[in-house]
Amino acid sequence: SQKIEQNSEALNIQEGKTATLTCNYTNYSPAYLQWYRQDPGRGPVFLLLIRENEKEKRKERLKVTFDTTLKQSLFHITASQPADSATYLCALERGSQGNLIFGKGTKLSVKP
Amino acid sequence: NAGVTQTPKFQVLKTGQSMTLQCAQDMNHEYMSWYRQDPGMGLRLIHYSVGAGITDQGEVPNGYNVSRSTTEDFPLRLLSAAPSQTSVYFCASRDSYNSPLHFGNGTRLTVT
Repeated sequence: SQKIEQNSEALNIQEGKTATLTCNYTNYSPAYLQWYRQDPGRGPVFLLLIRENEKEKRKERLKVTFDTTLKQSLFHITASQPADSATYLCALERGSQGNLIFGKGTKLSVKP
Repeated sequence: NAGVTQTPKFQVLKTGQSMTLQCAQDMNHEYMSWYRQDPGMGLRLIHYSVGAGITDQGEVPNGYNVSRSTTEDFPLRLLSAAPSQTSVYFCASRDSYNSPLHFGNGTRLTVT
């Protein structure tokens, strides 16, 4: 069965540094991959989508890469701020209806 | 600018009781879905719908029923609640096949 793994449950970094989160998947070749942010007590909020034919996508301080050979996506936050502290989820589409399956998330803490 | 609205925010049930979790969206999205989120398990798809009158099972459908009589509403029914259904439930909708999911802020359900 398809498996999606975010290899860190938690990541602690200093303000101003670049945070790098990893998402790996197996047994599947998704057409696209999405990243979401979730704050405590709230639903996930969409951040970025990257398609299989795109190597990299950027939005302000966020950058996502997608390596279909390694079956891996990297999510970067540059010049991180305490306000970036949240749980970040990656998600892949699965099946003919494009249902999303989610990783378990990485909880990022940015210390001032 | 309501988006996806879930009610109630919190609910406590006794084993064997039934209830309906409400979900409504005002974006005219055809696709709607229900996920549950448990610690260490991530988001898991319960049921989804690709339009009014059409529903299908996700990866963890047992113990839950859904219906889709209108585009706007997608209620989730627990016919006989069990402690294993203690979780946070999220409803989500999207515009088209590879567009982002819009989530509600969840219903926290405890079954004693």
